[in-house]
Amino acid sequence: QVQLQESGPGLVKPSETLSLTCTVSGGSISSYNWSWIRQPPGKGLEWIGYMYYSGSTNYNPSLKSRVTISVDTSKNQFSLKLSSVTAADTAVYYCARHWFCGGDCPDFDYWGQGTLVTVSS
Amino acid sequence: QSVLTQPPSASGTPGQRVTISCSGSSSNIGSNFVYWYQQLPGTAPKLLIYRNNQRPSGVPDRFSGSKSGTSASLAISGLRSEDEADYYCAAWDDSLSGRVVFGGGTKLTVL
Repeated sequence: QVQLQESGPGLVKPSETLSLTCTVSGGSISSYNWSWIRQPPGKGLEWIGYMYYSGSTNYNPSLKSRVTISVDTSKNQFSLKLSSVTAADTAVYYCARHWFCGGDCPDFDYWGQGTLVTVSS
Repeated sequence: QSVLTQPPSASGTPGQRVTISCSGSSSNIGSNFVYWYQQLPGTAPKLLIYRNNQRPSGVPDRFSGSKSGTSASLAISGLRSEDEADYYCAAWDDSLSGRVVFGGGTKLTVL
């Protein structure tokens, strides 16, 4: 059974960089696309971006200037960096696997449990 | 403001049939598949419907999806108390450089 687990600091200061890692277990990170999705407290879902295990990426245009998603296939992990954060970036951050499409569809079959990141000084 | 528009709330009594709508445009629902997610309180979303009307293994056939033009609907028949959750529609949007877009979510209450 594939499992995803997000990890990283739960508190980030304004203007700093948010860094999270998603560790994939029970399956290989290869041959799939992987996304980051976030959900502000009490609000809806927002897609951040996806990456293919080979390293190719596609980001939400609204966040593109601040986002970097990368992969470490040797550790079966992929990571998210979001720079210049503000309070508006406070959210539960999820990592998820694309089931069978090439990244250009929201067919997320496995999700991490989510991790709350709060942006505050 | 979400790209896809859903009613913020819906309700029904046990055994009833309820539908949740999702309205988009030609660049998303009108030209791409629609997906539906169920999010129980405090948990990650779960894929409920893919490619407009397909159910992943394990999803009861009480859940069904449909699409027409730039709108889609999720129907839940034989409503149960455990169906009380937030429901989100999603699609790929071809505008800009392409992106996944979600609806704002519909909170379903089982009365």
